[in-house]
Parts: sequence; C-alpha cells; structure tokens
Amino acid sequence: GENVEQHPSTLSVQEGDSAVIKCTYSDSASNYFPWYKQELGKRPQLIIDIRSNVGEKKDQRIAVTLNKTAKHFSLHITETQPEDSAVYFCAASITGNQFYFGTGTSLTVIP
Amino acid sequence: GAVVSQHPSWVICKSGTSVKIECRSLDFQATTMFWYRQFPKQSLMLMATSNEGSKATYEQGVEKDKFLINHASLTLSTLTVTSAHPEDSSFYICSARSDQRNYGYTFGSGTRLTVV
Repeated sequence: GENVEQHPSTLSVQEGDSAVIKCTYSDSASNYFPWYKQELGKRPQLIIDIRSNVGEKKDQRIAVTLNKTAKHFSLHITETQPEDSAVYFCAASITGNQFYFGTGTSLTVIP
Repeated sequence: GAVVSQHPSWVICKSGTSVKIECRSLDFQATTMFWYRQFPKQSLMLMATSNEGSKATYEQGVEKDKFLINHASLTLSTLTVTSAHPEDSSFYICSARSDQRNYGYTFGSGTRLTVV
C-alpha cells in the first residue's frame, strides 16, 4: 500500500516568516494530494489540494508544489500568523479513494 | 454543502462493553465512507473502507470482528467497537466522499472513545 512520510514533525517559526512542510509518497498511482489542518480535538480541515496533472497551486498565503517524478509534494505558508498554529497533515490518494496520511507536523507560530 | 455528522462526540464505556459510532452524510449520498483512528499526537490511520450494501474492506492489521462496520444506507455508516479494552481508547473519525464533488472528501467531527 501507499506510504506517506512527512517532515518535519515539529516546526516553530516567527510570525511573518514562512513555513514549509514536505511529504513523500511511494505509490506512483497516487494522483490526489490534499493538505489538512487539524486543531486539537477537532476534525481535519482541508486547506488546499493538488492533483497530479498540476505542478503548483496557490491560494492566498498557502501554496502546494508537486514533483511527480520525485514523488514529493510540499506545503508553503507565507506571512505566518499565530492562528496558523496547528497540526498539518499531508495525504495521498488514488482518485479520491482511501487517503493515506503523513505523520503530521505540529506548527507553532511565535508572535 | 457536504456535511458529515458523527455521533456521539465523546463516549466513556467500561471494558468488555460495545460502543456504536454513527457517521451520517447530511446533505449528500455517500456510497463510500471511510473510518480512521487517531491516537493522541499521532496521524490518522485508515481502518476500513465502508461500502453501501456490501462488506467493508479492512486495512491490514485491523480486526474486522472487533471493529464491525455496517453501511446500511447511502447516508449512514456505523462502526461498532466490540468488547472494548482500554487500548481501544482513541479518536475515531469517519469521512465520506460526495459523488457530486469530484475527489470531494468530508470528515465527520470525530468521536473520542475512552474505555475504563
């Protein structure tokens, strides 16, 4: 099955700086890569996603890049704010079926 | 649109008892629902894929006789943790895919199970 690795596990940045989280996947058939933000005790919330026919996608301060050849994708958050503090999960999926999640990154934005 | 409701949000039960968790798609039909388990400070681990009208597909290492899944209608899937033990204490989250939203995937609010 699919194996998704995520780094780093924890990340602290100063408010206003950028944060980058990286994931790799193993199954070349995976073609959908969402990123979720999860606050303590709450459900994961989709923040951005990318499909395999696209190399980059941006939504305001959040961007995702995908390198199919290397089988890795990254989340970029610019101008970080304290409310960005949460746990972020990447995931890989084949046509939106089962999602296999990365191990998570706990992001802390220091005011 | 695409709201998934999960009930209960928190349950405490005694060892040896069974607990049923419901996952409902409120405004769409979901032929497929997924069940995840999340231990504290860990990732979401896929347990099983629930298909309406057929048997669930379990991930390797998940005991199908312990975690009973029933997907009786297009809007409801249930997970029953049978003979619960303290090590089953976890956060259980369902998700559903809306066939109307290509690749759309909505999570339930989660159920915190504590077995004492």
